[in-house]
Amino acid sequence: ILNVEQSPQSLHVQEGDSTNFTCSFPSSNFYALHWYRWETAKSPEALFVMTLNGDEKKKGRISATLNTKEGYSYLYIKGSQPEDSATYLCASVMDSNYQLIWGAGTKLIIKP
Amino acid sequence: NAGVTQTPKFQVLKTGQSMTLQCAQDMNHEYMSWYRQDPGMGLRLIHYSVGAGITDQGEVPNGYNVSRSTTEDFPLRLLSAAPSQTSVYFCASRTHGQGNQPQHFGDGTRLSIL
Repeated sequence: ILNVEQSPQSLHVQEGDSTNFTCSFPSSNFYALHWYRWETAKSPEALFVMTLNGDEKKKGRISATLNTKEGYSYLYIKGSQPEDSATYLCASVMDSNYQLIWGAGTKLIIKP
Repeated sequence: NAGVTQTPKFQVLKTGQSMTLQCAQDMNHEYMSWYRQDPGMGLRLIHYSVGAGITDQGEVPNGYNVSRSTTEDFPLRLLSAAPSQTSVYFCASRTHGQGNQPQHFGDGTRLSIL
């Protein structure tokens, strides 16, 4: 099993500040990269699925970029709000079996 | 629009007991899967199915059985519960394809084995 790593493990950010975190994944046999938001006591919800090198996707104040050659993706949150507090998961898909390999997540806590 | 429905939400079992975690989806998704989530670890795939009548093992299949008799339902069976199976279990579904479609998750089942 090839690892997907997320950093940092946790992050405290002041309300209104912008932040970003990283997902590293194996670049060989890359097929797709998923980002999910997971609020406490709820189920993970999909944010983005990206497949192309250089891809950038945006949903409101949240955006993500993808570098498949070096095997990383960044998730950005602009002007953090308390409702952004959650664990953000990424998962890589390889074209050998199309299964999602999950990172352990970045836990984001927004301080009012 | 129910999406993915898991039951029960909570369950406590004694070691050696058996039980079935239910999962149903109403989106006509071909692909369904079961994960377990443990502290400090990513979601780990237990079993998955790419369509009715087809199941396969994931990363951590030991101690669990699945079946897929219909497109909608994908139950997970614990044959003889062990404390190591204490975890939060998530069922997920997506349109079958090559992993470029988002997964939809159920609300999870929190299982404790005493």
